[in-house]
Amino acid sequence: GQQVMQIPQYQHVQEGEDFTTYCNSSTTLSNIQWYKQRPGGHPVFLIQLVKSGEVKKQKRLTFQFGEAKKNSSLHITATQTTDVGTYFCAGAGGTSYGKLTFGQGTILTVHP
Amino acid sequence: GAVVSQHPSWVICKSGTSVKIECRSLDFQATTMFWYRQFPKQSLMLMATSNEGSKATYEQGVEKDKFLINHASLTLSTLTVTSAHPEDSSFYICSARGGGQGKGKAFFGQGTRLTVV
Repeated sequence: GQQVMQIPQYQHVQEGEDFTTYCNSSTTLSNIQWYKQRPGGHPVFLIQLVKSGEVKKQKRLTFQFGEAKKNSSLHITATQTTDVGTYFCAGAGGTSYGKLTFGQGTILTVHP
Repeated sequence: GAVVSQHPSWVICKSGTSVKIECRSLDFQATTMFWYRQFPKQSLMLMATSNEGSKATYEQGVEKDKFLINHASLTLSTLTVTSAHPEDSSFYICSARGGGQGKGKAFFGQGTRLTVV
């Protein structure tokens, strides 16, 4: 079945440093989505990438979807303490109901 | 944005009893709902997919007789953990995906923390 690998598992940064998490799918995806989960909370949708090579920005967050639609990255510029949490990528295959396969998540901690 | 309400947010039950968790889409019709399980510091593991008016599709290794899913309307899906045991203690999260608004995006409920004692 479809597998989505996400690295790193943990990332500790000083406030102001950049952060990147990467996802790789074993199969070509129809789209990839990114979610953020704060400690004790539920995942919150951040963005969806659909097109090959797509790049989207949300303030300090930059999301990329690979040309082959099998990998993706999330980059945060100049991290802030409010960025702490777990970032998940989730890939959707070609099924009609759009089941999402989640990566393992990257736990980000930001030291002030 | 779309709102998905999950209830209860936490529950403690005795071993051998059953627990029902509700997932409601409040402002859109959810043709498909998904039930996930999450262990501490781990990812979300899909348990099953439910489509309104039809039987749920369970992922490999998930016991359908233990985790009963009902999706009787476009706004409500329920997960019943039957004869719960301590190993069923976990964080259960539902998500809903509409056919119109937010197509493709999943909106998550707040999650239910189940503790079986």
